Amino acid sequence: EVQLVESGGGLVQPGRSLRLSCTASGFTFGDYAMSWVRQAPGKGLEWVGYIRSKAYGGTTEYAASVKGRFTISRDDSKSIAYLQMNSLKTEDTAVYYCTRTYCSGGICYATYMDVWGKGTTVTVSS
Amino acid sequence: QSVLTQPPSASGTPGQRVTISCSGSSSNIGNNYVYWYQQFPGTAPKLLIYRNNQRPSGVPDRFSGSKSGTSASLAISGLRSEDEADYYCATWDDSLSGVVFGGGTKLTVL
Repeated sequence: EVQLVESGGGLVQPGRSLRLSCTASGFTFGDYAMSWVRQAPGKGLEWVGYIRSKAYGGTTEYAASVKGRFTISRDDSKSIAYLQMNSLKTEDTAVYYCTRTYCSGGICYATYMDVWGKGTTVTVSS
Repeated sequence: QSVLTQPPSASGTPGQRVTISCSGSSSNIGNNYVYWYQQFPGTAPKLLIYRNNQRPSGVPDRFSGSKSGTSASLAISGLRSEDEADYYCATWDDSLSGVVFGGGTKLTVL
């Protein structure tokens, strides 16, 4: 069964750091890009960023709201994607979803997110 | 304020056909594929439509997507009570170099 499981969420003070993990199973992790999407309480979906597969350079893209503060990385040997969040702000409070993202024909389609985890909750508060 | 504009709500009765619109610009919808996601309360979103009008395996053919210029639409025919959910459109924005979502449309089945 194809599955993504996020972990690492919790309560953190503003200005501190937190690292989320996304453990994948049921598919060849290295063949896919991996993305993070968040949803603030009662709000819509917001794309955080993604990391391409190694075959497509393993490079990253980020939303303007998190660029310079958040870093996405991956460990293909463990089938895990990470979201390192630094200098957290209260507005980063959200459920964070990990998603599998499709790449083909030389392009990673960042919007093509076909598998989602259940999410992990991050609360930034003093 | 979302880059893509969706109506905040839509409704219909069982059996009806409902459409949800998604309006953007030349830098996003006008130049890229549109995707639709369905989300039930308290659960993760699910991919409903990809590449404007393609359905993933398992998605009923009651759901269809279309795109014209800088706008896209999701149509649901033969509306059922279990279709009551939030629906989001999404696409890549060339100017922002990122994925943008619509604000979401809450569908109510009366």
